[in-house]
Amino acid sequence: SQQGEEDPQALSIQEGENATMNCSYKTSINNLQWYRQNSGRGLVHLILIRSNEREKHSGRLRVTLDTSKKSSSLLITASRAADTASYFCATGLYGNNRLAFGKGNQVVVIP
Amino acid sequence: EPEVTQTPSHQVTQMGQEVILRCVPISNHLYFYWYRQILGQKVEFLVSFYNNEISEKSEIFDDQFSVERPDGSNFTLKIRSTKLEDSAMYFCASRTTGGGSTDTQYFGPGTRLTVL
Repeated sequence: SQQGEEDPQALSIQEGENATMNCSYKTSINNLQWYRQNSGRGLVHLILIRSNEREKHSGRLRVTLDTSKKSSSLLITASRAADTASYFCATGLYGNNRLAFGKGNQVVVIP
Repeated sequence: EPEVTQTPSHQVTQMGQEVILRCVPISNHLYFYWYRQILGQKVEFLVSFYNNEISEKSEIFDDQFSVERPDGSNFTLKIRSTKLEDSAMYFCASRTTGGGSTDTQYFGPGTRLTVL
């Protein structure tokens, strides 16, 4: 079944630096969504990019989507300690309700 | 800002007992979902619900699971006879439109189910 896979698994950066994480998937998608999860908590939606879009911005977040490579990246600019969390990509298929989640990236921002 | 709510935040139960997890989706949303996340693992889709019936379910969602929208606001997940491996965080989600998978799914804070 369709699944996203993030890479790298864990990232530790200094506050103010940028954090980049990647996600790849196997089949055609309708959209790709990024979520954040603080330790043991719920999933917070960050951004959705549709299959006909290549780049999207929201505040300090920048998402790219390359459907030819079946990959997406999430960039967090000027990171803050509060950005410490796990970040998941999830793909939505055409005519399909479910989201398929990747394994998640653990990002630690050191103050 | 409207949000999905879930109760309880943590449920502890004995193996073999029935549990009901409750969710209140965002009020104008039409599609409802349950996902689960076993500790340290991926978030997995369980079931989607639209127009008062299941629209899709995963292989995890066997006869021990059921969903219901008992009134205009609540959406419940019942596990009839819990097993140890049902221990997980269960997330409810909802979204607005009635077709395809083009729209954002908004997730609740989750219910942590512990089966002893």
